[in-house]
Amino acid sequence: SYVLTQPPSVSVAPGKAARITCGGNNIGSKPVHWYQQKPGQAPVVIIFFNGARPSGIPERFSGSNSGNTATLTISRVEAGDEADYYCQVWDSGSDHLVFGGGTMLTVL
Amino acid sequence: QVTLRESGPALLKPTQTLTLTCTFSGFSLSASGMCVSWIRQSPGKALEWLALIDWEDDKYYSTSLKTRLTISKDTSKNLVVLTMTDMDPVDTGTYYCARVSRDAYNSIDKWGQGTLVTVSS
Repeated sequence: SYVLTQPPSVSVAPGKAARITCGGNNIGSKPVHWYQQKPGQAPVVIIFFNGARPSGIPERFSGSNSGNTATLTISRVEAGDEADYYCQVWDSGSDHLVFGGGTMLTVL
Repeated sequence: QVTLRESGPALLKPTQTLTLTCTFSGFSLSASGMCVSWIRQSPGKALEWLALIDWEDDKYYSTSLKTRLTISKDTSKNLVVLTMTDMDPVDTGTYYCARVSRDAYNSIDKWGQGTLVTVSS
């Protein structure tokens, strides 16, 4: 089955950029989506199709996808960005929806 | 406005069968490209995909849970039902239903609030 690998945690100072990676075999060939989940809440999509932002999502959130790594970048990080972040793809080989293991973003 | 809401028992005993209902509005599951999925999250753990049903009534299941899961839909009532047999304490967690759009590259554009299911004797 297809596996997505994320770092368990990322820490960043306010105002700096945070980068969260999502590794997978040839993930660059798949559309990748990113979700933000704050404690006690359901996840919310913040990036879909590698780099597209739904309406209402700040431009500080961006995504890229190439080779074996997709990356979520949060520029000018704010305290309110502290959350868990998950990447997700649809694996057409197995017809499975796949999530990464999640990354906890800590704002120092 | 698209909304989804999960309902079902909050507490189950081991070996019992869980039946969850997802009631949605704002879209039709008979529309091309529309899908509803179930996802769960054990306390403090990552999201885990369980099952998906699409507008053509095709069904897809997590390999590890396939033998225990059944997903179905009632398009006229705008609901999707998930059953999971032989529940165990490790199945304790929050269960979400969510809309998946094939047209949006299989992204989840709307989630329900989730329902907490506890399995305990």
